[in-house]
Amino acid sequence: GAGVSQSPRYKVAKRGQDVALRCDPISGHVSLFWYQQALGQGPEFLTYFQNEAQLDKSGLPSDRFFAERPEGSVSTLKIQRTQQEDSAVYLCASSLGGQGYSNQPQHFGDGTRLSIL
Amino acid sequence: QKEVEQNSGPLSVPEGAIASLNCTYSDRVSQSFFWYRQYSGKSPELIMSIYSNGDKEDGRFTAQLNKASQYVSLLIRDSQPSDSATYLCAVSEETSGSRLTFGEGTQLTVNP
Repeated sequence: GAGVSQSPRYKVAKRGQDVALRCDPISGHVSLFWYQQALGQGPEFLTYFQNEAQLDKSGLPSDRFFAERPEGSVSTLKIQRTQQEDSAVYLCASSLGGQGYSNQPQHFGDGTRLSIL
Repeated sequence: QKEVEQNSGPLSVPEGAIASLNCTYSDRVSQSFFWYRQYSGKSPELIMSIYSNGDKEDGRFTAQLNKASQYVSLLIRDSQPSDSATYLCAVSEETSGSRLTFGEGTQLTVNP
């Protein structure tokens, strides 16, 4: 059984470039989350999808960050005009239930380590 | 004040000892509580979940929840060097779309 798959594992970009990070959740999982993890810190919430609907994007740090999940499966997190402070590990997680199922565990992918030079 | 706080590390215990990891949370509507283990450079891995007051045991792991004190802990019995990792406490509530709020993590080292 495949887990949450993220690509690329590592991404190096120059400041000002746009990047796109991909997440392929566990098949059948309704909920998909994106988190940002800085070195030595716990993950911080960015955005949440229930199927194709983006129900919460309150954690996105600026309007340079954009996420989509057009068919309710694969999701892409896009960062435009990258800045050095965007350097972090970006984690994707999925869970079986939708909103209101806070007891459903979230399963994480291995993340994308983004470095902005 | 951070929403989820964990006891400051790093924590070092000898092999075979009990490791005790603590976490407090500030939001009384939090309903679900999770402990994740994260090895360096790897993704968080769920090891325990707890939803009601009391203890929950799974092998060498015991999670304890006290909602009145807004406190959740993880005990690791017979600690092994392979338990050396960062342990993340996470809480969620239905009103926030089940998103997880994490503590900063406690780094545990088990010495052979």
